[in-house]
Amino acid sequence: AQSVAQPEDQVNVAEGNPLTVKCTYSVSGNPYLFWYVQYPNRGLQFLLKYITGDNLVKGSYGFEAEFNKSQTSFHLKKPSALVSDSALYFCAVRVPFSGGYNKLIFGAGTRLAVHP
Amino acid sequence: SAVISQKPSRDICQRGTSLTIQCQVDSQVTMMFWYRQQPGQSLTLIATANQGSEATYESGFVIDKFPISRPNLTFSTLTVSNMSPEDSSIYLCSVPGLAGHEQYFGPGTRLTVT
Repeated sequence: AQSVAQPEDQVNVAEGNPLTVKCTYSVSGNPYLFWYVQYPNRGLQFLLKYITGDNLVKGSYGFEAEFNKSQTSFHLKKPSALVSDSALYFCAVRVPFSGGYNKLIFGAGTRLAVHP
Repeated sequence: SAVISQKPSRDICQRGTSLTIQCQVDSQVTMMFWYRQQPGQSLTLIATANQGSEATYESGFVIDKFPISRPNLTFSTLTVSNMSPEDSSIYLCSVPGLAGHEQYFGPGTRLTVT
């Protein structure tokens, strides 16, 4: 079955330190992977995606993610965390859809708390 | 990316009633998606709405409970029927990006059923 796992419910990091939010996936075929962020009382915002090519992809707000095929992982990273990065982060994978269009399956989410 | 709006942004409803949520996109799109995010949970796809055809529902979701309309390429509605407290969730619509890979989401409708 196609799935995505975020093993950490919450990640705590001090402002200025590097952060990593973990994601592993299980899909058949080539994975299409995504990261989204949800700020309180707001919808989901698209951060970045991996489709093909370079394993390190860069996205919005200074975030990047590293695709690792052998470890089936797609961890989200940022070199220096900001307090304003505190939010809920979702990893997602695109899977083929019987209606002829692809749908997204989301992980459970990881709450990132950046402390001053 | 497309600009997506939803109405209402939030509502408090009595059990047994129905609420219709509207989703408006500033550009024409073939597919629109409706998701539910229960409190403290991840997003779950309810259905995919293609203009001019019946919506396709995911396992666990039925048309009688969540009827969807898709009258044109920029608009869709989701109705939550005969509501119970278990329907208290954030409901989000989304549309595919230009490349067709990622999806872009509306701000959501926060529903509380008492």
